[in-house]
Amino acid sequence: NAGVTQTPKFQVLKTGQSMTLQCAQDMNHNSMYWYRQDPGMGLRLIYYSASEGTTDKGEVPNGYNVSRLNKREFSLRLESAAPSQTSVYFCASSTQGFNQPQHFGDGTRLSIL
Amino acid sequence: AQSVTQLGSHVSVSEGALVLLRCNYSSSVPPYLFWYVQYPNQGLQLLLKYTTGATLVKGINGFEAEFKKSETSFHLTKPSAHMSDAAEYFCAVSDDTGGFKTIFGAGTRLFVKA
Repeated sequence: NAGVTQTPKFQVLKTGQSMTLQCAQDMNHNSMYWYRQDPGMGLRLIYYSASEGTTDKGEVPNGYNVSRLNKREFSLRLESAAPSQTSVYFCASSTQGFNQPQHFGDGTRLSIL
Repeated sequence: AQSVTQLGSHVSVSEGALVLLRCNYSSSVPPYLFWYVQYPNQGLQLLLKYTTGATLVKGINGFEAEFKKSETSFHLTKPSAHMSDAAEYFCAVSDDTGGFKTIFGAGTRLFVKA
């Protein structure tokens, strides 16, 4: 059982470049999330998708866009990367609702020079 | 608004000793509370959760946590630490005022000494 799969695992970008982080889940979950993890700050929500066809901003959405391609896939796009976006990015999914635990991928480690 | 405070960014214990990781939360309505564990280069994994009912919650790997409403706390404990428990632990809170948003604490890194 793959769970939540994120690609790529590592990426180095130059300032101003764009890229898309991919996420897919095979658990038939309705809700999906993108977080960034920075030292000493825990996880901060970038965007989430409560169900297929909907997306909403989280705590730190500036500089990012998302697409809920279908029920399985939820991608995160950096249009013009900045050094402040150097971080570890996690995708997660849950059945639905705020009281359900989230299942996480192994993360994408992104460095922007 | 929800918030989570984890007391101590680093905790060190000896193998076989009690593990106590502290978490305090704020929520205007009854919360849903979670503890997650993160091993190096991996995502977070659920240890245990409190939704409703019994206030003492048992999780995986011998961990448990007690919901204390009067103290707004949800501390994580394990009677006897094992080397394999060394990891980072995150407390998280959700409630229905936040929609689908879960707030995570800053994390506590647990070190286990032989």
